[in-house]
Amino acid sequence: DGGITQSPKYLFRKEGQNVTLSCEQNLNHDAMYWYRQDPGQGLRLIYYSQIVNDFQKGDIAEGYSVSREKKESFPLTVTSAQKNPTAFYLCASSILDKNTEAFFGQGTRLTVV
Amino acid sequence: GQQVMQIPQYQHVQEGEDFTTYCNSSTTLSNIQWYKQRPGGHPVFLIQLVKSGEVKKQKRLTFQFGEAKKNSSLHITATQTTDVGTYFCAGNFGNEKLTFGTGTRLTIIP
Repeated sequence: DGGITQSPKYLFRKEGQNVTLSCEQNLNHDAMYWYRQDPGQGLRLIYYSQIVNDFQKGDIAEGYSVSREKKESFPLTVTSAQKNPTAFYLCASSILDKNTEAFFGQGTRLTVV
Repeated sequence: GQQVMQIPQYQHVQEGEDFTTYCNSSTTLSNIQWYKQRPGGHPVFLIQLVKSGEVKKQKRLTFQFGEAKKNSSLHITATQTTDVGTYFCAGNFGNEKLTFGTGTRLTIIP
């Protein structure tokens, strides 16, 4: 069953702790993306990667870090430097051609207390 | 950076009424994609338009791409409760990454 998987679906953390969100895909996609969605708002790009061992900052990268050691995996770490980490985080993947759709995972809802 | 704006931000319609959301960019887009996100869900791809002036239909949904490739619209005829959700447009500027619009949240009054 091919697709893109995010885990966990809900995550609670104490303020000041780093937390890592998982994103795995078995679609053989080169490109992977992390978006943040706040209530009633659109999708803001955090980081994206088009090839293993390489990634670029999106529009709101501050306070976040990523790695792309394997094609299938693109974990996102929300660091303690992120001032407002509570949000819905969406991972997506696509083939590298610009004229192709993005496939999204189910999302992780992070709550920091 | 380059942005894609969508209006309206929210739309409440009686079931059976039509609905339209508009997407605008200040610069030319290579393509435009539309996604739907159901409440509590994740965005799901609906369609892509590439050609200037292109119009595509999916049952009650009509998608248009402007002649200048700077704007797009999604029109839903005779809305149903299953149409509830947030509709996003997304586009590429040249070879840049996909940029999402701000979304339009549609609610249906039965």
